[in-house]
Amino acid sequence: GDSVTQMEGPVTLSEEAFLTINCTYTATGYPSLFWYVQYPGEGLQLLLKATKADDKGSNKGFEATYRKETTSFHLEKGSVQVSDSAVYFCALSDNYGQNFVFGPGTRLSVLP
Amino acid sequence: EPEVTQTPSHQVTQMGQEVILRCVPISNHLYFYWYRQILGQKVEFLVSFYNNEISEKSEIFDDQFSVERPDGSNFTLKIRSTKLEDSAMYFCASSPQGYTDTQYFGPGTRLTVL
Repeated sequence: GDSVTQMEGPVTLSEEAFLTINCTYTATGYPSLFWYVQYPGEGLQLLLKATKADDKGSNKGFEATYRKETTSFHLEKGSVQVSDSAVYFCALSDNYGQNFVFGPGTRLSVLP
Repeated sequence: EPEVTQTPSHQVTQMGQEVILRCVPISNHLYFYWYRQILGQKVEFLVSFYNNEISEKSEIFDDQFSVERPDGSNFTLKIRSTKLEDSAMYFCASSPQGYTDTQYFGPGTRLTVL
């Protein structure tokens, strides 16, 4: 079945450091890929998405490129802020399947 | 900006009791979903709902669970006889179209079963 794998957390960075959170997926069809963010005590918010190969999603300084050849959708940000501290979930929805699969989440802590 | 709302924010119940979690999806959305997140664990899909019927459900969504859209705005998740392991955060989501579309999540209901 479909699955999403993310790098183990927690990730702890200093403010203004470069962020990469790895995400790889397994899917039977041609999935759409998403990054959701969950701030402490809140629900899930869509951060960015990409619906086909080589698409780049971007939002709030974060970006991720849909790489079909490596089945990856790594999240990057050039300079993180304390306010970026949250749990980040990679997810996919499969055009052939009928479900929405989340990765396990990666907790990011940014220190001032 | 329209958003998904959920009530209550926190529900405490005794084991074996029935609970109903309520959600109001975004008004022009057609697809509705429930997910759960046990504390510190991954977000798990429970069920999707379209055109007044379940379109997909996971292994977690057994006979203890049911969903309903009782009117034009609410979408409910009922757990008939709660178990300790049902304690989790339950998220409702909606999307304008199907699974490939962006899902918009509510803030969640924290269910505590004692």
